[in-house]
Formats: sequence, C-alpha cells, structure tokens
Amino acid sequence: QKEVEQNSGPLSVPEGAIASLNCTYSDRVSQSFFWYRQYSGKSPELIMSIYSNGDKEDGRFTAQLNKASQYVSLLIRDSQPSDSATYLCAADSPDDKIIFGKGTRLHILP
Amino acid sequence: DGGITQSPKYLFRKEGQNVTLSCEQNLNHDAMYWYRQDPGQGLRLIYYSQIVNDFQKGDIAEGYSVSREKKESFPLTVTSAQKNPTAFYLCASSTALGGEDTEAFFGQGTRLTVV
Repeated sequence: QKEVEQNSGPLSVPEGAIASLNCTYSDRVSQSFFWYRQYSGKSPELIMSIYSNGDKEDGRFTAQLNKASQYVSLLIRDSQPSDSATYLCAADSPDDKIIFGKGTRLHILP
Repeated sequence: DGGITQSPKYLFRKEGQNVTLSCEQNLNHDAMYWYRQDPGQGLRLIYYSQIVNDFQKGDIAEGYSVSREKKESFPLTVTSAQKNPTAFYLCASSTALGGEDTEAFFGQGTRLTVV
C-alpha cells in the first residue's frame, strides 16, 4: 500500500451540493494530515490541516480524521464552480518528509 | 510580505546543460522541500532539508543536487544526468519537525522545459 492514496477522479458534483473527497493512509505516515487545492498550472494552496480524531470545520470546508480506519476526508458544502480543482491529501512521516497523494480532480457542474 | 519565492517562473534547458532553480523563503522555516510534478500526476519528493548544511534524498533524487548554506535558501540543480527533466518544480517550506503546525507552504513553481 502506498503511504497516501486517493482516487484520481474526476469527481463531478452539481453546484450547491456537497463534495466528498477521501484519502487513505498507511502506517508509514505520522498523525498530521493536510488538504491542498491546486488549480491547473498553479502551485498547491493549503486548505486545512487536521491532527486529532474527529471533525474540523472552516467555513464551507470540513476535514474528518478517522485514525482507527486510517482515512481522512474533506467535505465541501455548497460547492461552487470555483471549487473545481485538484485536491491533494498529504501527511507527514516519521522521517520528517511530507508525502502527497496523487490528487483527486473535482468538477463542479453549473 | 512573508512567503516563498521561486525563480525563474519558466526555464528552458538545452540537452546536456545543468540548470539551477532558486527558492528563497522569509518565513523563518527550518524545513524546505523540492517536489517534481508531471502532468496529471501528484507531487514526488526530490530532496528535503530540515536544517542548514544538511539535506536528505527523497524518492527521485537521481540527476538532481541541492545545497542548504543558508536557512532562507534551498537551490535545486537539475544536472545533465537527469534524462527527463521537463516538469513543474515546486519548492515548499514548513516549520520543524513533526507535530502540529507542520503544514508546507509552496512557492509559485518553476516550469522547466528541455529544448
């Protein structure tokens, strides 16, 4: 199993609906997780970080961490066309690297 | 304004040439990273450094070299030994080492093309 895995998509969601992005991780990562958004041709921007089991909310975004099942998710409420991008899940590792998944492409349908 | 600056934004390399990509940060971050991204792909780690004068190879270090002589600077040299260097190169930095607040912040990237 790769250290951080994501479904590459594309994931298509109607405007105004909830987009749900998922990421699983292996035992080879530590316990800090990050979600980044990357528009085509641009560098990744940090959306949220999460370290503790449970939910963390910031505006329309909610990150969820389930350590027992080794998954982390990102929910985007009231999806907007501007949310169309690639979403990268990342985790830090015991040897101090930050490891990225391959990303999920999200399309918000007007 | 605090941030990470990569230069140049676009770079063209001839076959057999070495080129150096610049990365400077004024965030007072200890850790710095270089990633490579190919079209439709995720980020692959080339090199990383947690402290001045020390750095480690990532997953795809062959054909690349780095230095960390100053905390603020982490230049990447793409050598002629890198056979397929055309890619988007991203530099990032973060506070230290494990625990909370270790998220990485990225520069704007350098797009390198072999001509």
